[in-house]
Amino acid sequence: EAQVTQNPRYLITVTGKKLTVTCSQNMNHEYMSWYRQDPGLGLRQIYYSMNVEVTDKGDVPEGYKVSRKEKRNFPLILESPSPNQTSLYFCASSRAGVDTGELFFGEGSRLTVL
Amino acid sequence: DAKTTQPPSMDCAEGRAANLPCNHSTISGNEYVYWYRQIHSQGPQYIIHGLKNNETNEMASLIITEDRKSSTLILPHATLRDTAVYYCISWGSSNTGKLIFGQGTTLQVKP
Repeated sequence: EAQVTQNPRYLITVTGKKLTVTCSQNMNHEYMSWYRQDPGLGLRQIYYSMNVEVTDKGDVPEGYKVSRKEKRNFPLILESPSPNQTSLYFCASSRAGVDTGELFFGEGSRLTVL
Repeated sequence: DAKTTQPPSMDCAEGRAANLPCNHSTISGNEYVYWYRQIHSQGPQYIIHGLKNNETNEMASLIITEDRKSSTLILPHATLRDTAVYYCISWGSSNTGKLIFGQGTTLQVKP
């Protein structure tokens, strides 16, 4: 089954404790991206990757890092989480190309930073 | 800044057609219009996309104006399960992967 898998789905952590949210897709997609969703603000893009070893900033990259060492994985790293990073996070993937932009989303990871 | 603008909310009676508008006046020639919906806090789900011509699939129809500055998503017979937030985005080769979703339209289907 084609899917994007995120882990953990729920996490409560404390300020400053490094954490990683993993994202894995089984569709051999070139493009992957991360979004955060906050009440009243819709979906905002954090980082995206057009292919292995190629990453770039979205609209709200501050406080986040990503890496794309393998095609299937695109982890989101919070080196020193702060309470303003409490949010619902989504990972998405798609094939590259102009007319292949159907994004497949993961189920979301709800993060609380105390 | 959002590249598309949508009304924040709309209501629709169950069984009637829901017509959701989207303005994308700055869309470039190679950008497609995509529609997604998000039910509660689940991951958004793809609905349909198009470039110039109207499109139809099993979920919905997409009507794009001739000047491509706006489009309408049509759910022909809305059900209660269609209650969701609907996002319209434009995406093409010029975007290099950067996507702006905006806040979408919250569609409330009422019995």
